[in-house]
Parts: sequence; structure tokens; C-alpha cells
Amino acid sequence: DIVMTQSPLSLPVTPGEPASISCRSSQSLLDSRGYNFLDWYLQKPGQSPQVLISLGSNRAAGVPDRFSGSGTGTDFTLKISRVEAEDVGVYYCMQALQTPFTFGPGTTVDIK
Amino acid sequence: EVQLLESGGGLVQPGGSLRLSCAASGFTFSNYAMNWVRQAPGKGLEWVSAISGSGSSTYYADSVKGRFTISRDNSKNTLYLQMSSLRAEDTAVYYCAKVPTPRWFDYWGQGTLVTVSS
Repeated sequence: DIVMTQSPLSLPVTPGEPASISCRSSQSLLDSRGYNFLDWYLQKPGQSPQVLISLGSNRAAGVPDRFSGSGTGTDFTLKISRVEAEDVGVYYCMQALQTPFTFGPGTTVDIK
Repeated sequence: EVQLLESGGGLVQPGGSLRLSCAASGFTFSNYAMNWVRQAPGKGLEWVSAISGSGSSTYYADSVKGRFTISRDNSKNTLYLQMSSLRAEDTAVYYCAKVPTPRWFDYWGQGTLVTVSS
């Protein structure tokens, strides 16, 4: 199984400041078609998860442009250019290259 | 508007069975693979199972293989998860999720809570 790790696991942020979360996989998520099967999800308190970024860097519909995803292979990053109070929650990366799909442990983002 | 509505959760004794349903609307259900993901209380997300749009291909996490069965009725736009031989560690909120091509989870339901306890 592909193991996903994230860092940091806890991220206190100041509104208006940037934030970054790293995600690493135990094997490459790049397939022969050139897709990186790495997604980012945000689970806000009391809510279902929602997709932020798919295929490594594609911002999902309706997601603010302050969110961006980058990386390839085994190393990926989610960046928030200017954190807003509504961005608090748990951020998960997930690999969808092969089953079993696996999630990272989650990064809890809260306001300082 | 895409909607996924799970139902069927509840309290069940260890060793018991339960069937979850996920009613889909707002898209052509048979065109999309569907997945189940669960979240134990206070824990992270765990992928459980996947099924292709036609229902001909299914996939399971090792933790549920042989005990859970995923299926779908495309005429009813409904996804199912038949769970048997339930254990305390199966206690979780179960989410269904829609999967477009190439592959990510673009819509999630609100979840249904399954509690396995005597």
C-alpha cells in the first residue's frame, strides 16, 4: 500500500499570512499519462470533506484562488496565499493512483 | 445540483449486519464510479470500497474485504454498502463520494453514523 505522510500535523496561522502543507507518498503518484494522482481535501468542523485540489495542481470548481497545489512524483505542497478565518479545519492529502486509496494523517489548521 | 444522501446507519451489535444506501441525484449516475470512505470518531479518513459505473468492477480495503459488499442499482441511482460481521472498529461515519475521470472525489455526502456496540 502507498503510505502518505503530511507535515506539519498542526498549523496555527495568522489571518492574512501565507501557509503551506507538505505531503509525501511512499511511491511515485505520476502515471504514464502524466497525471499526478494526488488530491487535497479540507474537512471543516462538523462538515464532510470537500475537494480543494485534484491531480496535484487543479483547483476544484468554486475553490478560492488563494489555494494552490504543486509537486510531482512523491512530493507535493498545498499553499494558501493569505489565510482567512474560514480556512480552519483538517487538510488531507490522498493518493488515487491505486487501490487501496490512502489518505495522509491530516493537518489541523487553526487560527492563532 | 449534485446531491448524495446516505442512509441506513445506526446501532448494531458486534457480529451483526447493516446495509447503507447512498441516493444520488443531479448527475448521470451510471457514468461515474462511486466510493465509500469512513471516519472513526475523532480520527482521519479511511477509504473503504469503490465500484465502477457499470458495477462490474469492485475494490475493497483489506480491513473490510470478505465482510463488506459494495453494489449499485443504476436504475434507482443508488449506491449500497452491505456490511456483515461487524466489529467495534467499524464504528465510523460512512461517506459516499462521486468519482469523475481521471479520478478524484468531487462530491461527498453528509455521512451516516454506524455504531457497533453491545
